[in-house]
Amino acid sequence: QVQLQESGPGLVKPSQTLSLTCVVSGASMVTATYSWSWIRQSPGKGLEWIGNIFYSGTSRRNPTLESRLSISIDTSKNQFFLKLNSVTAADTAVYYCARSSVVMADAFDVWGQGTMVSVSS
Amino acid sequence: EIVMTQSPATLSVSPGERVTLSCRASQSISTNLAWYQQKPGQAPRLLIYGASTRANGVSPTFSGSGSGTEFTLTISSLQSGDFAVYYCQHYNFWPYTFGQGTKLQIK
Repeated sequence: QVQLQESGPGLVKPSQTLSLTCVVSGASMVTATYSWSWIRQSPGKGLEWIGNIFYSGTSRRNPTLESRLSISIDTSKNQFFLKLNSVTAADTAVYYCARSSVVMADAFDVWGQGTMVSVSS
Repeated sequence: EIVMTQSPATLSVSPGERVTLSCRASQSISTNLAWYQQKPGQAPRLLIYGASTRANGVSPTFSGSGSGTEFTLTISSLQSGDFAVYYCQHYNFWPYTFGQGTKLQIK
């Protein structure tokens, strides 16, 4: 059974970098069948797709975040990562990692439990 | 970016009732649409993909339909565990976007 687990600091100061890790267990990331996404949820903006990455390292980023965003992957450790620079209070949200599968037409079929990140001094 | 609009925002219904939730895309997305259920404190759960295909383990009381810009999620007989927030999401092209959700609450 595939499981995803996010980890990272729960509090980040404004203007600093938010860094999160998603550990994937129960399946190998080295397959073109899946892509790996970051999604966030805040009361003000609802659910927002941040971006995704494939095992090859190719990534797609939401244009609204692109200039501040980096997504990377370490298939040897079955992990992928998010770095968001120059954060503000608007980046306060629950951050989820999720898997999408070509079998399910790219819908998000497995989600992590989410990690709350607050941006505050 | 495609804007997904869900209606209504909140729906008060009784257990056993049939309910239909709507989702509209700002441009055609073919059938590249998914529905999710989210309960408090939990991550969203995939219910429907391809506009009408139930995900593994999803009750047959859930059904989806539509194509192009208009979509619906129908729950044929509401159970107590179905009271939650439901989101639609397109994956026609990046960036993928979600609707604002419809909250089903007990009447």
